[in-house]
Amino acid sequence: RKEVEQDPGPFNVPEGATVAFNCTYSNSASQSFFWYRQDCRKEPKLLMSVYSSGNEDGRFTAQLNRASQYISLLIRDSKLSDSATYLCVVNKHQAGTALIFGKGTTLSVSS
Amino acid sequence: GAGVSQSPSNKVTEKGKDVELRCDPISGHTALYWYRQSLGQGLEFLIYFQGNSAPDKSGLPSDRFSAERTGGSVSTLTIQRTQQEDSAVYLCASSWTAEQFFGPGTRLTVL
Repeated sequence: RKEVEQDPGPFNVPEGATVAFNCTYSNSASQSFFWYRQDCRKEPKLLMSVYSSGNEDGRFTAQLNRASQYISLLIRDSKLSDSATYLCVVNKHQAGTALIFGKGTTLSVSS
Repeated sequence: GAGVSQSPSNKVTEKGKDVELRCDPISGHTALYWYRQSLGQGLEFLIYFQGNSAPDKSGLPSDRFSAERTGGSVSTLTIQRTQQEDSAVYLCASSWTAEQFFGPGTRLTVL
């Protein structure tokens, strides 16, 4: 099983749509979880951290299910500017260690 | 404030030559990471420095790869006797907490 697995997509959605991405991770000892966003030919940038209780930032909602080792990202009211690759990211055992990146899910929002 | 900077932004070299890639982390960040991303692929962890601790070199693909971090700040990634499969974007990141901030990367092309 890969350390972090994501559906590569692409997800092609119209503006205003709601879209959800899923991710699974293999290391049950992982403690920190993130969604990063990467635009074409750019460096990854943190979108949001993922907490056990779930968290929301505007149109974005992230959820973590530790029992199933599953992370999700929900984007509501998609904008053209949301078009990017979304990377599911997991730390190894504790904060400060290397991040393990999924290969990303590509989202394309069209008008 | 200043982010993570990397130089050069692009490097073209001939097979068999050595290359050095530089990373200037965000001031005060104790952790520094190197990753590489091949075309269409996810990020691959290479090496991690944390303060004065011995670096985590577990991601280096061969002994042709090495990295140093001088004075707890600037880092240099060296690739000896480059091969065509070394062609990729090499990304540096730094962090104070679990969130990592990435530089723009160095695009390495080995002819």
